[in-house]
Amino acid sequence: AQKITQTQPGMFVQEKEAVTLDCTYDTSDPSYGLFWYKQPSSGEMIFLIYQGSYDQQNATEGRYSLNFQKARKSANLVISASQLGDSAMYFCAMETVGNEKLTFGTGTRLTIIP
Amino acid sequence: NAGVTQTPKFRVLKTGQSMTLLCAQDMNHEYMYWYRQDPGMGLRLIHYSVGEGTTAKGEVPDGYNVSRLKKQNFLLGLESAAPSQTSVYFCASSYSRQRTSSYNEQFFGPGTRLTVL
Repeated sequence: AQKITQTQPGMFVQEKEAVTLDCTYDTSDPSYGLFWYKQPSSGEMIFLIYQGSYDQQNATEGRYSLNFQKARKSANLVISASQLGDSAMYFCAMETVGNEKLTFGTGTRLTIIP
Repeated sequence: NAGVTQTPKFRVLKTGQSMTLLCAQDMNHEYMYWYRQDPGMGLRLIHYSVGEGTTAKGEVPDGYNVSRLKKQNFLLGLESAAPSQTSVYFCASSYSRQRTSSYNEQFFGPGTRLTVL
């Protein structure tokens, strides 16, 4: 069974600072993918970044990067130079090959302080 | 492209009433999903479909039924609504899940907020 753990229910960060959102995962499958989604107060789910288990480099997408530590089974999201618009819920999710579903963590509510 | 659309956006039901939530996607995706989101619990998969005419149970299927008669539509039905089904329901779709890659990104609809009194 797959499990995603997000241990930070809420975080407050000063605008323009970098922030790291934690995500640890558990799976016995060697082939898997990790996703981060953003959910602003309007409710929609926005895909941010993806990391495959066999990817040699950490994924980056603009201000988002993924600190992937395979041995520690962690896939932390790093947001550089935070902006007020980054205030939202952030979900980490995992899929494994042959398992047709995403397993989501419980999310972290990020609030950016001006 | 409208992407993934859901109707209705809001609904209030009384216990025991039935209703159907409609999800439509115009991206020719094979896979479609229904999730529910409850406070502090993230998203949980209710049912999913890997193609037209197929459905499968997810993590929390009890009390729900689904149908995928057309590739672009995925319906979620509540036959006898209960207060425990008060939630926000999300539909999602993706190209395929035959391999783990960024192409398996799920595209989400805007959600349906359902209240059962």
